[in-house]
Amino acid sequence: EPEVTQTPSHQVTQMGQEVILRCVPISNHLYFYWYRQILGQKVEFLVSFYNNEISEKSEIFDDQFSVERPDGSNFTLKIRSTKLEDSAMYFCARTSGFNEQFFGPGTRLTVL
Amino acid sequence: GESVGLHLPTLSVQEGDNSIINCAYSNSASDYFIWYKQESGKGPQFIIDIRSNMDKRQGQRVTVLLNKTVKHLSLQIAATQPGDSAVYFCAEKGIQGAQKLVFGQGTRLTINP
Repeated sequence: EPEVTQTPSHQVTQMGQEVILRCVPISNHLYFYWYRQILGQKVEFLVSFYNNEISEKSEIFDDQFSVERPDGSNFTLKIRSTKLEDSAMYFCARTSGFNEQFFGPGTRLTVL
Repeated sequence: GESVGLHLPTLSVQEGDNSIINCAYSNSASDYFIWYKQESGKGPQFIIDIRSNMDKRQGQRVTVLLNKTVKHLSLQIAATQPGDSAVYFCAEKGIQGAQKLVFGQGTRLTINP
């Protein structure tokens, strides 16, 4: 199955700035997810999104984070006021209704 | 709480040999497990999965074994190739109805020529 694409591949931002990470899945996918991976560490779940609503979120996904699918296609993750510890790889994933989750190539976020 | 752990952080094998990567999980309610391969700078790549009602599943050169009694999962890669060098993660989908995957720390597999 075709994978998702993510933009940008690398985002550099100043602490306190807002960033928007984008994921472009195929339209028939049901569930979308955001995960992050701090350098050298394991992949951590952030949020799952189904039928245009958050279905599950982790403790990491606090008020600084939000997700939406504004145009029915792109799936975005917004961080309102970035912190140094937000520096990580952010992965979008999707599933078509079965259990398998397929990941995008990721966006590397660097907060200075 | 939920956790998925790996026995060894690194593993080196000779090209052509078989490799076994192990994973322990703590949530006995987990009903689905996946192995992912992650190459440097890339996203996790789906390798193989297994449901809790099975104890073995085979793919192309890969086999996943599940031992629910001791909550242990393994990935066997046969006839390893240089392209198999990567970090391998196990992940579980634990709580009934939940969609999130809980990942282990990862094992770095190096294939020596």
